[in-house]
Amino acid sequence: GDSVTQMEGPVTLSEEAFLTINCTYTATGYPSLFWYVQYPGEGLQLLLKATKADDKGSNKGFEATYRKETTSFHLEKGSVQVSDSAVYFCALSDPARDKLIFGTGTLLAVQP
Amino acid sequence: DSGVTQTPKHLITATGQRVTLRCSPRSGDLSVYWYQQSLDQGLQFLIQYYNGEERAKGNILERFSAQQFPDLHSELNLSSLELGDSALYFCASSVLAGGPTDTQYFGPGTRLTVL
Repeated sequence: GDSVTQMEGPVTLSEEAFLTINCTYTATGYPSLFWYVQYPGEGLQLLLKATKADDKGSNKGFEATYRKETTSFHLEKGSVQVSDSAVYFCALSDPARDKLIFGTGTLLAVQP
Repeated sequence: DSGVTQTPKHLITATGQRVTLRCSPRSGDLSVYWYQQSLDQGLQFLIQYYNGEERAKGNILERFSAQQFPDLHSELNLSSLELGDSALYFCASSVLAGGPTDTQYFGPGTRLTVL
């Protein structure tokens, strides 16, 4: 079945460092891909999305490009801030089935 | 604030009991989804309703049931509770029943603790 694999955390970075969180997926159809973020004690917030191959989603300085050839959707940010500390979830949605399938989440801790 | 509301925020109960979790979707959204987040299983899809009808089912136990009412709010009923049901339960809503342009927006969750 469809699945999402994320890099294990925690990821610990200093402020202004470059961030990459790897995400790869397995899907039989042509899924949409998402990154959601969960701040401590809060629910999930949509960070960005891409609906087809080569689409780039971007928001708040974060970017991810839908790479069909490598089945990947890696999250990047050029300069992280302490306020970016959260758990980041990669997810896919098969248009035929609608439900979101999530990765295990990656905890990001940014130190001042 | 996503516009999706969930009540209660926290719920503590005992094994064998029954609880009801409530979700109000964003204004204009017709679909409601329920997810369970636990330490061992991660985030798992439970069930989806669209405009009052059940549309998709995931890893939902037979002890759990849900419904969506005419005003589009939804309730998730959990019965014969076990310790392993302790988790964060999220509701999400979207405009459509799915598809490439549809996006799910999540509520703040209800944290259920079964003692």
